[in-house]
Amino acid sequence: KQEVTQIPAALSVPEGENLVLNCSFTDSAIYNLQWFRQDPGKGLTSLLLIQSSQREQTSGRLNASLDKSSGRSTLYIAASQPGDSATYLCAVTVYGGSQGNLIFGKGTKLSVKP
Amino acid sequence: NAGVTQTPKFQVLKTGQSMTLQCAQDMNHNSMYWYRQDPGMGLRLIYYSASEGTTDKGEVPNGYNVSRLNKREFSLRLESAAPSQTSVYFCASIEQGGRGEQYFGPGTRLTVT
Repeated sequence: KQEVTQIPAALSVPEGENLVLNCSFTDSAIYNLQWFRQDPGKGLTSLLLIQSSQREQTSGRLNASLDKSSGRSTLYIAASQPGDSATYLCAVTVYGGSQGNLIFGKGTKLSVKP
Repeated sequence: NAGVTQTPKFQVLKTGQSMTLQCAQDMNHNSMYWYRQDPGMGLRLIYYSASEGTTDKGEVPNGYNVSRLNKREFSLRLESAAPSQTSVYFCASIEQGGRGEQYFGPGTRLTVT
């Protein structure tokens, strides 16, 4: 059974720091991996999607990498800002069963202090 | 495009009451999903519909029913609400033939007393 783990569960950094959020998954047979952002009391916003054949994706200050063989992904945030404070969720799309059935990690709650 | 919309945004029910959560998407997606999000448990799949006219159980289907009314709409029904169903419910849909990116609605916050 696919399981997704995110470490750390919470992270507090001063503004301007570069930081890395980690995601690991137990079964390398994935279709893609997505990183989402969730603000308190709000829905999920997709940040980056990496296809299984890709190694990384970039969007502005965000860079996500994928290493299928080791079952790991990282989300790198450069020059963090207080507006980056949110919970970041990692999710993998599994083969078989539901097309696009996402398995989520429990998230990393990020706090960026001014 | 409104994307994925959900109604209502908030709901309080008494144990044993029934209600239907509505979801609609205007992106012409075939597949739609219902998840629930609970503290410490993350998001879990309740039911999904791979295409109009089909529905299947996810990880936590007990106590729920779904209807794929047409390609746009996918509803989730609680026949007899229980306190264990207090949660935030998210509907999602997936783009077809592309990268498989999943789009989420804003959620329905349900409390069962």
